[in-house]
Amino acid sequence: DGGITQSPKYLFRKEGQNVTLSCEQNLNHDAMYWYRQDPGQGLRLIYYSQIVNDFQKGDIAEGYSVSREKKESFPLTVTSAQKNPTAFYLCASSIYDHRQFFGPGTRLTVL
Amino acid sequence: QKEVEQDPGPLSVPEGAIVSLNCTYSNSAFQYFMWYRQYSRKGPELLMYTYSSGNKEDGRFTAQVDKSSKYISLFIRDSQPSDSATYLCAMIPNQAGTALIFGKGTTLSVSS
Repeated sequence: DGGITQSPKYLFRKEGQNVTLSCEQNLNHDAMYWYRQDPGQGLRLIYYSQIVNDFQKGDIAEGYSVSREKKESFPLTVTSAQKNPTAFYLCASSIYDHRQFFGPGTRLTVL
Repeated sequence: QKEVEQDPGPLSVPEGAIVSLNCTYSNSAFQYFMWYRQYSRKGPELLMYTYSSGNKEDGRFTAQVDKSSKYISLFIRDSQPSDSATYLCAMIPNQAGTALIFGKGTTLSVSS
């Protein structure tokens, strides 16, 4: 089955902790994206990567970091510098015609 | 002015109604237009994809793009309770290195 997987589905973070959200795709897509979704806010772009070993900041990159060492993987680290990390995080990948396909999401809660 | 404007609703209709969802935008460079459906606590699902102006139909769904008015629409015919979801419009210019710009989504509720 081709698709995008995100893990874990639910994640709890204590104050001051860094946590990493996993995103894997087997669609052979070059581009991958991370979004944050809050109630009433829509989707806000955190980081995106058009190619391996390269990535760009989105609109709300502060307090987050990413890596793109493999085409299939684009993990997101939520650092302790992110003061309000409780949200629904969505990973997506896209093909040359800009169609984006999303994973099922990770819900992060700060305890 | 925001790049993409979308009325958040909520929009409530009876089963069988025709639903019209809309977005307006300000950037005339947008060339690709999409509609996503998102059920609660799930990832968005691509519903419709259109390049430039015109109409596209897929079953009960029709997407329209009017670039002269910077206005896109999604019509749902014979709406069903299973159509109850949040609908997000998205668009992007034909330019490498850019990312989709999303509307904030319209929440639709179809009652049986």
